[in-house]
Amino acid sequence: AQKITQTQPGMFVQEKEAVTLDCTYDTSDQSYGLFWYKQPSSGEMIFLIYQGSYDEQNATEGRYSLNFQKARKSANLVISASQLGDSAMYFCAMREGPGGTASKLTFGTGTRLQVTL
Amino acid sequence: NAGVTQTPKFRVLKTGQSMTLLCAQDMNHEYMYWYRQDPGMGLRLIHYSVGEGTTAKGEVPDGYNVSRLKKQNFLLGLESAAPSQTSVYFCASSRAATGGKNTEAFFGQGTRLTVV
Repeated sequence: AQKITQTQPGMFVQEKEAVTLDCTYDTSDQSYGLFWYKQPSSGEMIFLIYQGSYDEQNATEGRYSLNFQKARKSANLVISASQLGDSAMYFCAMREGPGGTASKLTFGTGTRLQVTL
Repeated sequence: NAGVTQTPKFRVLKTGQSMTLLCAQDMNHEYMYWYRQDPGMGLRLIHYSVGEGTTAKGEVPDGYNVSRLKKQNFLLGLESAAPSQTSVYFCASSRAATGGKNTEAFFGQGTRLTVV
């Protein structure tokens, strides 16, 4: 079974609009961490935002926020006021808790976001 | 402040040849990872290490070997390259923790490998 599922292969958003990129995850651990990364066309991996499984508040970092719904096992990334420079691949990732898998960092297949004028 | 450095950046191999990809990090991180990225498949974990002298298999370990003789270095070896190993390879490192602030993985710039 997929640990991380990103069901949107591609998304379009107009400049200055908000966009939500979906991510669902599968784990039986109570302790885990969720991460979002951006990969522009240049290829580097850029860390955006982190959410811990015990965090009660949704994480925010500037224009990025994470809509964390623990019961639904979803961790959607919200980008507000989209900019042309936000056009990139976006990856959701999870690191699970203790018990041997704590060190694995698993990624989804990604969503390609295109920001249009 | 180098972070994570991968060597080489590009390589073309003939089928059956061997090579080693080197990953070096200067952040004193315990965890290190090797991923391959193929179109439509995201990043798939090949092998990882939780500390010096330890390695473990990821999702797609076949055809690869790794070694972590020094904490700062993580080597990925291809013993007999195959065209199916044509990919972009990423190395990453992180602190030894499940989560919390500052536990994100830091990535190298990637190695584009073509096997002909």
